[in-house]
Amino acid sequence: QVQLQESGPGLVKPSETLSLTCTVSGGSINSYYWSWIRQPAGKGLEWIGRIYASGLTNYNPSLKSRVSMSIDASTNQFSLKLTSVTAADTALYYCAREYCSGGRCYFWYFDLWGRGTLVTVSS
Amino acid sequence: QSALTQPASVSGSPGQSITISCTGTSSDIGNYNLVSWYQQLPGIAPKLMIFEVNKRPSGVSIRFSGSKSGNTASLTISGLQAEDEADYYCCSFAGSSTYVVFGGGTKLTVL
Repeated sequence: QVQLQESGPGLVKPSETLSLTCTVSGGSINSYYWSWIRQPAGKGLEWIGRIYASGLTNYNPSLKSRVSMSIDASTNQFSLKLTSVTAADTALYYCAREYCSGGRCYFWYFDLWGRGTLVTVSS
Repeated sequence: QSALTQPASVSGSPGQSITISCTGTSSDIGNYNLVSWYQQLPGIAPKLMIFEVNKRPSGVSIRFSGSKSGNTASLTISGLQAEDEADYYCCSFAGSSTYVVFGGGTKLTVL
C-alpha cells in the first residue's frame, strides 16, 4: 500500500526558506504527478504546485516567485522550497498524488495524501 | 478569499439528502469538466469523493453524486448518515496559468 510522509522543520523564521520533503513508500514515484497543498488552521485548501517524475513542474501563480520543487527517483522523494516566508505561510502542508486508475491518469485530482506537517513561521 | 464560493455550512437529518453548491466562473468550472470534491474529517487529510464532475473513485459510496450547470458545481449526498459529518471542498481546474482552485469549504452537520 502506497503511503506518503511529509518531513521537515516545524518552525521557520520570517524571511527564511521553508523546506519540506515527501517520502513515497510502498510504490514508485515514477509515472505520477506529485503535488504540495497547504491548509492554514481553520481555513481552506490551497494548491502550491506539482512535479512529475521527469522534473516537469507547474506552480500556483500566486506563489510562483517563491516556490521551487524537485524530485529524486532514486530515493523516492520529492521536495518543496518556499522562500521569504511570512506568517501567512503558516499552515499544515500536505503532499499528494494525482489520481490514476485502470492504467489511466486523471490529472488535477488528488487521491492519495500524506498526513500533513505543520509549519509555523515565527521568530 | 477562495476562488470558488461554497456555503459555509449545511445541515440535514439522517436519511435526508443535501446538496452543496460551488460557484466559480467561466474561467474554471464553466470552462472545464474537471471538477472534484473532497471530504475532510477532523484532523484527517482530505479524501477524493468525486472527480470529472460526476465520477466516483472506487470505494466511494453511491450516495455521493456530483453535477454541474454553467459556472456552478454541486455535490449531493443522499441517505445522510452520521459518518458523513465533515468538511467538503470543491476544486476545479482553471486553465494552464492558474491550474487548480479550491472552494473555501462547507461544514456538513448531520442533525
